[in-house]
Amino acid sequence: QLQLQESGPGLVKPSETLTLTCTVSAGSVSSSSYYWAWIRQPPGKGLEWIGSIYYSGTTYYTPSLKSRVTISVDMSKNQFSLNLSSVTAADTAVYFCARQDQLLWRYYIDYWGQGTLVTVSS
Amino acid sequence: QSVLTQPPSVSAAPGQKVTISCSGGRSNIGNYYVSWYQQLPGTAPKVLIYDNDKRPSGIPDRFSASKSGTSATLGITGLQTGDEADYYCGTWDSSLSAGVFGGGTKLTVL
Repeated sequence: QLQLQESGPGLVKPSETLTLTCTVSAGSVSSSSYYWAWIRQPPGKGLEWIGSIYYSGTTYYTPSLKSRVTISVDMSKNQFSLNLSSVTAADTAVYFCARQDQLLWRYYIDYWGQGTLVTVSS
Repeated sequence: QSVLTQPPSVSAAPGQKVTISCSGGRSNIGNYYVSWYQQLPGTAPKVLIYDNDKRPSGIPDRFSASKSGTSATLGITGLQTGDEADYYCGTWDSSLSAGVFGGGTKLTVL
């Protein structure tokens, strides 16, 4: 059974860069069948898709965050990462990493990590 | 403001049926499959429905869904107290080149 585990600091200072890593088990980030995604959820609010990456390096980002987001993949470690720069309190959220099944008209998230709370505060 | 529109809340009695709507546009629901997710309190979301109306293994047939044009609907029959959760619809948006979710609907089983 595929497992995803987020890791990274739980507290980030305003204006700094948030960096999270997702380690994939029982699956491979080099698979040509899936994308790997980051999704966040501010406390008490809904889900926001941040972006995704394909093994080839192709990335997609939600427009509202595009200028601040970078998603990368490390096949040697079977991990993918999220960098979000110039963070503010509005970036405080639970961040989920996930596997995204996407082909032609199909799109859905079939596996999710447990999520990690990142608080932006000085 | 979410790209996909869901009612903030719905409620029904145990054993009853409830439906949750998800409205979008041609660049998202109109051209892509819809998925539905259940998020129990304090947990990660779980996919209930994918490809508009398919259930992953392990999801009971009390959960069903359909799509028509630029709208989709999730139906839950035989409501149980354990179904109390937040429900989200999701799809791809070709105008944004991004995944999008509805704002979420809180289901209360009275």
